[in-house]
Amino acid sequence: GAGVSQTPSNKVTEKGKYVELRCDPISGHTALYWYRQSLGQGPEFLIYFQGTGAADDSGLPNDRFFAVRPEGSVSTLKIQRTERGDSAVYLCASSPGQGIYYGYTFGSGTRLTVV
Amino acid sequence: DAKTTQPNSMESNEEEPVHLPCNHSTISGTDYIHWYRQLPSQGPEYVIHGLTSNVNNRMASLAIAEDRKSSTLILHRATLRDAAVYYCILPPNFGNEKLTFGTGTRLTIIP
Repeated sequence: GAGVSQTPSNKVTEKGKYVELRCDPISGHTALYWYRQSLGQGPEFLIYFQGTGAADDSGLPNDRFFAVRPEGSVSTLKIQRTERGDSAVYLCASSPGQGIYYGYTFGSGTRLTVV
Repeated sequence: DAKTTQPNSMESNEEEPVHLPCNHSTISGTDYIHWYRQLPSQGPEYVIHGLTSNVNNRMASLAIAEDRKSSTLILHRATLRDAAVYYCILPPNFGNEKLTFGTGTRLTIIP
């Protein structure tokens, strides 16, 4: 498709379970970003990939959160031992290069609810 | 990052122009000014960005003050679909890709 695709759109999981959230960036976009948005707040940065490598993971809240992008296209955000505080909308964005010059294209997000 | 200040909310009548202000008094000479908007239940959507000169695209215009300490996003003819939260952002440069969104301006369009 033409845009950034995120699956699933909604995910409900029980506290303590493991979840994976998938992002398909725009084809050819080398930069990929994950953000998290809580209700009533602006998105908060989690991690940034340039190609296959995580160039900046300083926004990951703790070691339960991990993200990969093994072939430089699709990325998966992995959350272990989920907690109720992890409930949020997880947004993915991509850019053809440095986003400051090209702008960022966001997906519609995955709404994660931990019960 | 250079900080931005936006009003929490604004209202405008449908089919009238809207001017959304943003102050960024600590902006550096190499900071770009980006605007995004977020419609309900959607991810943020790119609107426009610029460095020094005013910019126009099919969605909006960006007017940048001569001293670059403020900018204004202009929607020329607001429609109900323009109701959204608008974020003014100064992305850090030199390889730092961490956007700081803030709380933005919630724009309400009155039919």
